[in-house]
Amino acid sequence: EAGVAQSPRYKIIEKRQSVAFWCNPISGHATLYWYQQILGQGPKLLIQFQNNGVVDDSQLPKDRFSAERLKGVDSTLKIQPAKLEDSAVYLCASSWQALQETQYFGPGTRLLVL
Amino acid sequence: GQQLNQSPQSMFIQEGEDVSMNCTSSSIFNTWLWYKQEPGEGPVLLIALYKAGELTSNGRLTAQFGITRKDSFLNISASIPSDVGIYFCAGPDSTGANSKLTFGKGITLSVRP
Repeated sequence: EAGVAQSPRYKIIEKRQSVAFWCNPISGHATLYWYQQILGQGPKLLIQFQNNGVVDDSQLPKDRFSAERLKGVDSTLKIQPAKLEDSAVYLCASSWQALQETQYFGPGTRLLVL
Repeated sequence: GQQLNQSPQSMFIQEGEDVSMNCTSSSIFNTWLWYKQEPGEGPVLLIALYKAGELTSNGRLTAQFGITRKDSFLNISASIPSDVGIYFCAGPDSTGANSKLTFGKGITLSVRP
């Protein structure tokens, strides 16, 4: 079974630029999560989708971050404009059900904002 | 929101030694999860605990769900170099299918050959 795929794996941008990350979950997984992991911290949930609907985006900085999962499969996370403090690893995870212990994480996208 | 506390931030042990990590919270958790994250990868679930007092093993790993439901322990026996990584505890911050996971800050484990 293929795992969660993410691209790109690394991205370096300057502040105020835009960036987008892509995630392809495990086939058949209805729930998709985006996390932000700042160096030295545990992952923090940004947004959770159930199929193509948003379940929880309470910790998403909506003035600059947006995410979509239009067909209930792949998802994109966008930052516009980026700030220095957005430098982090962005992890995508998916699960068959919305049960936390069934989440499988992708390898993450490492973002550096200069 | 709820917080999970893990300390120390880093641990250094000799290959073959046992190591114990704990995770504490000021509030009750009904599920405790332990993850390992290797460099350049996402976290991988090691053990899930669902009941206070539960003791669960997975190979050389043993984890316990504290009786008070405010703590959990992970033990690694006879450590080997591939045990290197960051170990996170995590738990859902409320009951229900859509509760989000809270993670501790993690403990970075180094194993000297």
